[in-house]
Amino acid sequence: DAKTTQPPSMDCAEGRAANLPCNHSTISGNEYVYWYRQIHSQGPQYIIHGLKNNETNEMASLIITEDRKSSTLILPHATLRDTAVYYCIVRSWGEGYSTLTFGKGTMLLVSP
Amino acid sequence: KAGVTQTPRYLIKTRGQQVTLSCSPISGHRSVSWYQQTPGQGLQFLFEYFSETQRNKGNFPGRFSGRQFSNSRSEMNVSTLELGDSALYLCASRPPIGGRYQETQYFGPGTRLLVL
Repeated sequence: DAKTTQPPSMDCAEGRAANLPCNHSTISGNEYVYWYRQIHSQGPQYIIHGLKNNETNEMASLIITEDRKSSTLILPHATLRDTAVYYCIVRSWGEGYSTLTFGKGTMLLVSP
Repeated sequence: KAGVTQTPRYLIKTRGQQVTLSCSPISGHRSVSWYQQTPGQGLQFLFEYFSETQRNKGNFPGRFSGRQFSNSRSEMNVSTLELGDSALYLCASRPPIGGRYQETQYFGPGTRLLVL
């Protein structure tokens, strides 16, 4: 799986949009971008994933650049409960194995 | 649909003892993976089971083992506990093959193990 680079920490004011970047310059054609988050001492929570098209669900939006070398996770109206470590993971489909390789992620702090 | 459940949630053991942790996947999920999370090493993959067979294994010593039962429930066992085994142990299950979420893992709340 391709490696990812994320900023170690970010701040966001409550109610504002949080834009979390991820660089994955070595991504290959069959690799998807996944985002998970982990609120302190809880299990990681799946947020969203995509291949090349932008994706949106009830939690967030995922914007993937046209060359697929980077992506941005957008939390449109951040709340205090969105304070967590956010992990960007790139992995292939159809390998037959479901291993996730977690990096250090981005610690997002949402403040009042 | 109920999420992934793990028992116990908290556990205290002493060095040299062994421990067994349990994981029940989401109903209909047949793949179960285990991860260890420590402050120093972060989240690391332990092993994955599918249809009662271990399909993949991370870089952990043989003291770490697991199994899966016919109802997809899984257990992991750590023998001869060491202080460094203190960690949050996470279990994740994955939907059946086919469909948009086939590669998505859904995690349980974890078991926090403290070795004294």
